[in-house]
Amino acid sequence: NAGVTQTPKFQVLKTGQSMTLQCAQDMNHEYMSWYRQDPGMGLRLIHYSVGAGITDQGEVPNGYNVSRSTTEDFPLRLLSAAPSQTSVYFCASSRAETQYFGPGTRLLVL
Amino acid sequence: KNEVEQSPQNLTAQEGEFITINCSYSVGISALHWLQQHPGGGIVSLFMLSSGKKKHGRLIATINIQEKHSSLHITASHPRDSAVYICAVSESPGANSKLTFGKGITLSVRP
Repeated sequence: NAGVTQTPKFQVLKTGQSMTLQCAQDMNHEYMSWYRQDPGMGLRLIHYSVGAGITDQGEVPNGYNVSRSTTEDFPLRLLSAAPSQTSVYFCASSRAETQYFGPGTRLLVL
Repeated sequence: KNEVEQSPQNLTAQEGEFITINCSYSVGISALHWLQQHPGGGIVSLFMLSSGKKKHGRLIATINIQEKHSSLHITASHPRDSAVYICAVSESPGANSKLTFGKGITLSVRP
């Protein structure tokens, strides 16, 4: 099993650009989530999904969109990047309350 | 919203020392998670606790539900234990429960 994979590992964007962070898992987990990690702060939930076709907002959803067309994939879209979205983004999936995290995407918005 | 506090903020230890990292939370929970993040690396789940104590190798995690407090102990610490240790809580049971995270403790173990 590859576990949870994320692409890209690192991305630089200009303000106003859009992009999609990819996340995939091969463990057939229903629950998937996106977090951002900023210095001096705990991981914060952006969006989550309890299964294909079902998504909901987390703590900090503004500026981000998600969709879940399959169990495996849960992409995160930045609609119009802002410097405040500079962060490290982690995707996770879970089973029986155990979380499995992807390796992270480091995003820099100039 | 649950407030998750971790202490100490940063911790430096000598190789071989016994280390304790603490986590407290403000609202009753279903489960508490301990996670490890190596520098520049991903996040790995160490323990999930709803009561009592769990042990894995040199790591021991305990939780006191009444006092809303958990500790992570590392015995015979080693430089490879240097990492950020994160506490997170879930307020409802099941795989779909959202987590609230502490800020993490940076542990550095010197040889």
